[in-house]
Amino acid sequence: DVKVTQSSRYLVKRTGEKVFLECVQDMDHENMFWYRQDPGLGLRLIYFSYDVKMKEKGDIPEGYSVSREKKERFSLILESASTNQTSMYLCASSSGRRGNYNEQFFGPGTRLTVL
Amino acid sequence: QKEVEQNSGPLSVPEGAIASLNCTYSDRGSQSFFWYRQYSGKSPELIMSIYSNGDKEDGRFTAQLNKASQYVSLLIRDSQPSDSATYLCAVIGSGGSYIPTFGRGTSLIVHP
Repeated sequence: DVKVTQSSRYLVKRTGEKVFLECVQDMDHENMFWYRQDPGLGLRLIYFSYDVKMKEKGDIPEGYSVSREKKERFSLILESASTNQTSMYLCASSSGRRGNYNEQFFGPGTRLTVL
Repeated sequence: QKEVEQNSGPLSVPEGAIASLNCTYSDRGSQSFFWYRQYSGKSPELIMSIYSNGDKEDGRFTAQLNKASQYVSLLIRDSQPSDSATYLCAVIGSGGSYIPTFGRGTSLIVHP
């Protein structure tokens, strides 16, 4: 069964802290994604990766960075957390193999509150 | 800019009725279409994928795709209160992309 896991369901941090959100998938997927979801704004893509050590900016990368050292793990880093980064963070993965239809599977999400 | 549009709702239907959710997209060359269900406070869950024109049925769910008119719809037969959720439409466009564009979702309420 397809599985994407995220390190925390709920997280509370203080302004200025460095925050690490971890995502692990067990489907041998090439592609991994980080989104944030806010009421009224829908899903917004922060960063994505199509291979180990590869990363591409999404629509709203400012204030974030990512790391992908292993195929199954994709980390989102908030270098200096700010209150406007309070949000639900969703990790997803999809297969990048030729002929695959690239269905995305989501992790359970991390609700981050920055005080 | 590729766009995916959904009516935000809420769409309210009585238990046992058919719920019809619609989605339009701007990229005429789009290839892959997905419906996700998202319960409040939870993450999106993939419930249907469709890639060619016509209908695709899975249990109580039917996805309908019309590429000429650039819309995709989801029908839920015999709606249950447990179907109450936000339904997200996602589309992968042309050009070899593997990144879907998501609509903002339609809220469905099934009342007993």
